[in-house]
Amino acid sequence: GAGVSQTPSNKVTEKGKYVELRCDPISGHTALYWYRQSLGQGPEFLIYFQGTGAADDSGLPNDRFFAVRPEGSVSTLKIQRTERGDSAVYLCASSSDSFTNTGELFFGEGSRLTVL
Amino acid sequence: AQSVAQPEDQVNVAEGNPLTVKCTYSVSGNPYLFWYVQYPNRGLQFLLKYITGDNLVKGSYGFEAEFNKSQTSFHLKKPSALVSDSALYFCAVRDTYGNNRLAFGKGNQVVVIP
Repeated sequence: GAGVSQTPSNKVTEKGKYVELRCDPISGHTALYWYRQSLGQGPEFLIYFQGTGAADDSGLPNDRFFAVRPEGSVSTLKIQRTERGDSAVYLCASSSDSFTNTGELFFGEGSRLTVL
Repeated sequence: AQSVAQPEDQVNVAEGNPLTVKCTYSVSGNPYLFWYVQYPNRGLQFLLKYITGDNLVKGSYGFEAEFNKSQTSFHLKKPSALVSDSALYFCAVRDTYGNNRLAFGKGNQVVVIP
């Protein structure tokens, strides 16, 4: 497809389980971002990739959260030992522009994670 | 660190009336400013941005925004609101010092009343 694709769209899991969320960015976009959006809040930055490397992971809340982008395209956000507070919509975005920082982000529809 | 404030939770406006959604920002250097819109069950969509140049920028769906450096504001405006403009609007800022993070405000729910 032409846009950013995220799977699954909905994920319900139990406390303590491991979860993977996948993002397929727009073809050719070198910059990829993960954000988290809690109810009633704006998106909160988690991590930014430039190509295969995580250029800025300062937004990851703790070491239970990890993300990879091994071939510079698809990215996976991994959450270990999930907690109820991890429940949120996880947004992925990509951009063709990273060097000048002026480009807009193109967002996927998000993966809604519910931890019971 | 950059941040954005959107002081109102909800903006109600009658169809055909002017619409304004307020945003103020804080950055270390010069700002890059953005507006995004989120329709129900849809992803965030880019509306417009200010990078440099003319303080009045025009974007999608008839929206515009005015950058005011002295007031550190970037209010979103539309001369005549439509019912279809009812959505959640987010202001976002990025600074110019190589920081790729885009900081979002909490969002404003806009309700256009027929």
